[in-house]
Amino acid sequence: QQQVKQSPQSLIVQKGGISIINCAYENTAFDYFPWYQQFPGKGPALLIAIRPDVSEKKEGRFTISFNKSAKQFSLHIMDSQPGDSATYFCAASIVSNQFYFGTGTSLTVIP
Amino acid sequence: EAQVTQNPRYLITVTGKKLTVTCSQNMNHEYMSWYRQDPGLGLRQIYYSMNVEVTDKGDVPEGYKVSRKEKRNFPLILESPSPNQTSLYFCASASLKWDRGYQPQHFGDGTRLSIL
Repeated sequence: QQQVKQSPQSLIVQKGGISIINCAYENTAFDYFPWYQQFPGKGPALLIAIRPDVSEKKEGRFTISFNKSAKQFSLHIMDSQPGDSATYFCAASIVSNQFYFGTGTSLTVIP
Repeated sequence: EAQVTQNPRYLITVTGKKLTVTCSQNMNHEYMSWYRQDPGLGLRQIYYSMNVEVTDKGDVPEGYKVSRKEKRNFPLILESPSPNQTSLYFCASASLKWDRGYQPQHFGDGTRLSIL
């Protein structure tokens, strides 16, 4: 079964808007939660990551919010730009060895 | 340039014909991993390796083999490919010297396999 559940499957946002992608997990042994960005024809690239001992991490326009009690985490993209149009994957791992990815969200930012 | 190189990038083959997808990294990374990407399923980890001669199963190892005889190479072997192994495959590497909680994996650009 899917260890990490991701939603929505696709997302359309106007330029300048906020894009929000949500993920949920069950295994409380997960200790590392990265987000990857993938452009067509390319491999995923790490965007931002968080450990469960913090509730939020911000890097530029990208923020991860982490709710340990609810076993949920989300990616917020502020001031979304057309160049952000890509597929985003959340993931979770145990001791950064074995990784479980969400099913992906296709983001389209309309100019 | 730091990179993960996969070959071939595209391959069409037939059921049962053994094939190998090579993966090489030039970053002296200890950790290497293989994933398959399928529509609606995301990326699923096949095998990973923490160092030379050390390999472990990921989430979907059935039908695949790997070896890690050299630090830079981590080939994926399909000894008897079947149509359900048609997929987009990615190799990744990472340094274990990084802060253990933040291990950016560097991915190759993928290998698209079609097995008829």
